Amino acid sequence: DVVLTQSPLSLPVTLGQPASISCRSNQSLVHSDGDTYLNWFQQRPGQSPRRLIYAVSNRASGVPDRFSGSGSGTDFTLKISRVEAEDVGVYYCMQGTHWPPTFGGGTKMEIK
Amino acid sequence: EVQLLDSGGGLGQPGGSLRLSCTASGFIFSNYVMSWVRQAPGRGLEWVSSISDTGGDTYYADSVKGRFTISRDNSKNTVSLQMNSLRADDTAVFYCVKGGVSFLRGTFYCYGLDVWGQGTTVTVSS
Repeated sequence: DVVLTQSPLSLPVTLGQPASISCRSNQSLVHSDGDTYLNWFQQRPGQSPRRLIYAVSNRASGVPDRFSGSGSGTDFTLKISRVEAEDVGVYYCMQGTHWPPTFGGGTKMEIK
Repeated sequence: EVQLLDSGGGLGQPGGSLRLSCTASGFIFSNYVMSWVRQAPGRGLEWVSSISDTGGDTYYADSVKGRFTISRDNSKNTVSLQMNSLRADDTAVFYCVKGGVSFLRGTFYCYGLDVWGQGTTVTVSS
C-alpha cells in the first residue's frame, strides 16, 4: 500500500499568519491517465472530515481561497495564507492513484 | 442540500454482527459510487469499502474483506454495511461518503469523497 507521511504531526500557528503542511508519498502519485489524485481533508473538532483540495490543487466547493494545494510526484503541500480560528483541526492528505486508497496520519493544527 | 445520514452503530460483541445504514438526499444517488470510511478512536482515517453506482461491483480493504458486505438500494437512496465476525479493532466511527473506488477498463480510480455523513459509532466489546 502507498504510505503517506505528513509533517509536522502538530502545528501551532498564530492567527493571521501562514501555515504549511507537507505530505510525502513512498511512490509517485501520477496516475496512468496523467492526473495526480492527491486530496486534502480537514476535520474540525467533533466534526466529520471535509474535502478541501482534490487533484493536488483544486479547491472544493465553498473552500476559502486562503487554502491552496501544490506539489507533484511524491511531494505535496497544503498552505493556508492567513490562519483563522475556524481552521483549527486535523488535516489529512489522501491518495486515490493506487489501490487501495490511503490516508496520511494527520496533522493537528492549533492556535498558539 | 446534499446530505448523508448515517445510522445503525452501537455495541457489538466480538464475533457478532452489526448493520450500518446511510440515507442520501439532495443528489441523484444512483449516479454515484458510495463508500464507507472509518476512524478508530484517536486515530486517522481508513477507507473500508466502496460500491459502484449500480451495486454490481464492490471493493473492500483487506482488513474487512470476507467479514463486511456493502450493498445499496437505489430505490430508497440507501447504502448499507453488514459487519460480521466483529473484532475489537473494528471499534471506530464509520462515515458514509459520496464517491470512492471504481475500476474503469481495469484501471483503478478513486473519485469524490466530497460529501461525508455525520458518522455512526461502532464499539466492539464483551
